Amino acid sequence: KAGVTQTPRYLIKTRGQQVTLSCSPISGHRSVSWYQQTPGQGLQFLFEYFSETQRNKGNFPGRFSGRQFSNSRSEMNVSTLELGDSALYLCASSLELRQGPSYEQYFGPGTRLTVT
Amino acid sequence: TQLLEQSPQFLSIQEGENLTVYCNSSSVFSSLQWYRQEPGEGPVLLVTVVTGGEVKKLKRLTFQFGDARKDSSLHITAAQPGDTGLYLCAGEREGSSNTGKLIFGQGTTLQVKP
Repeated sequence: KAGVTQTPRYLIKTRGQQVTLSCSPISGHRSVSWYQQTPGQGLQFLFEYFSETQRNKGNFPGRFSGRQFSNSRSEMNVSTLELGDSALYLCASSLELRQGPSYEQYFGPGTRLTVT
Repeated sequence: TQLLEQSPQFLSIQEGENLTVYCNSSSVFSSLQWYRQEPGEGPVLLVTVVTGGEVKKLKRLTFQFGDARKDSSLHITAAQPGDTGLYLCAGEREGSSNTGKLIFGQGTTLQVKP
């Protein structure tokens, strides 16, 4: 079974531009979560989608948005890019919101975004 | 303040040595996961612990969940260069809704020298 895929793997943008990142979850997984990873802050939760609905959102400004399509594929968008948005953006999928007593997520390889 | 505190943040050891990584919190977690991440890749799930006092073994790796479900540890026996990477603990706080939000520790960077 194919894993989580993310495109593109690397991206260079300039301040003020916008960017769209894509994530395809593991086949059959309906929940997709997005995280931002930086050396200083570690992994921080952005938002989570399930059945095309945003179920939870982290503490990020409104410039960060996302959506999920009927085939569970998800995109996240960052508008008006700032230098501080440079990070590894990770997508994770899960079969359902909860699998038994625990919640397990499977991560893609990430998109490395550099803002200059 | 990190909800999940990992220690140490960096660890550089020689091949064959043993090591322990700690993940501590003042909050109770319904489950805790450990991930390993290599440069340029996403985290890979190693194990999930859900019961207080639970111990799980994965070859040379031993994972333990604290009795009160507030802390966890990862012990590696006879470390090998292939164990090098970033180790992350992550958990779901007890009482949180089913919304796919995992809280991550800051990570422990492990370097095993041959």
